[in-house]
Amino acid sequence: DTGVSQDPRHKITKRGQNVTFRCDPISEHNRLYWYRQTLGQGPEFLTYFQNEAQLEKSRLLSDRFSAERPKGSFSTLEIQRTEQGDSAMYLCASSYDYAGDEQFFGPGTRLTVL
Amino acid sequence: KQEVTQIPAALSVPEGENLVLNCSFTDSAIYNLQWFRQDPGKGLTSLLLIQSSQREQTSGRLNASLDKSSGRSTLYIAASQPGDSATYLCAVTNTGNQFYFGTGTSLTVIP
Repeated sequence: DTGVSQDPRHKITKRGQNVTFRCDPISEHNRLYWYRQTLGQGPEFLTYFQNEAQLEKSRLLSDRFSAERPKGSFSTLEIQRTEQGDSAMYLCASSYDYAGDEQFFGPGTRLTVL
Repeated sequence: KQEVTQIPAALSVPEGENLVLNCSFTDSAIYNLQWFRQDPGKGLTSLLLIQSSQREQTSGRLNASLDKSSGRSTLYIAASQPGDSATYLCAVTNTGNQFYFGTGTSLTVIP
């Protein structure tokens, strides 16, 4: 399968713990996006990378959130000191090099913070 | 900030009907607009992408139109099937980098 993959698919954690999610984009894609989606809402943009450079971050991305894309391949999203409000589906998408290119989404990681 | 609205929030139709989903956005200076489908608990699947210079795009039974000046797009689904049941989302971008999504229309096609 050559689509976007995300790991883990589900994560349950206790409040205050740190969690890390991984996204593997389609191999030829240079752009990678992270979104957060809560129940009944559309995805909200968090951040995007062009190769290894993080070029844009939403104000939604508090100091507890950090994303990396070493070597411009896979990406990780870490949430420190999780809060119950962080419970959501975290979606990753990738696209080719051009602005506004069609995005291909992964299956998402469902985070539940108890 | 760009705001995207989708109406209706939910729609139920009998199999075989043609239907229209609506998407409106507040800032008409968009780069492009994309329609997605999302099945419960899953990621998004891209359906159609319309560049700002285009008026419509077609793929099989789907046709999406764009009226940038009025801030509107419609997704037309012909001869609906039970397999079309899903949530349909539209997303716009002004810069090509940050995308804004609507809350979606939940479609149920009754056999």
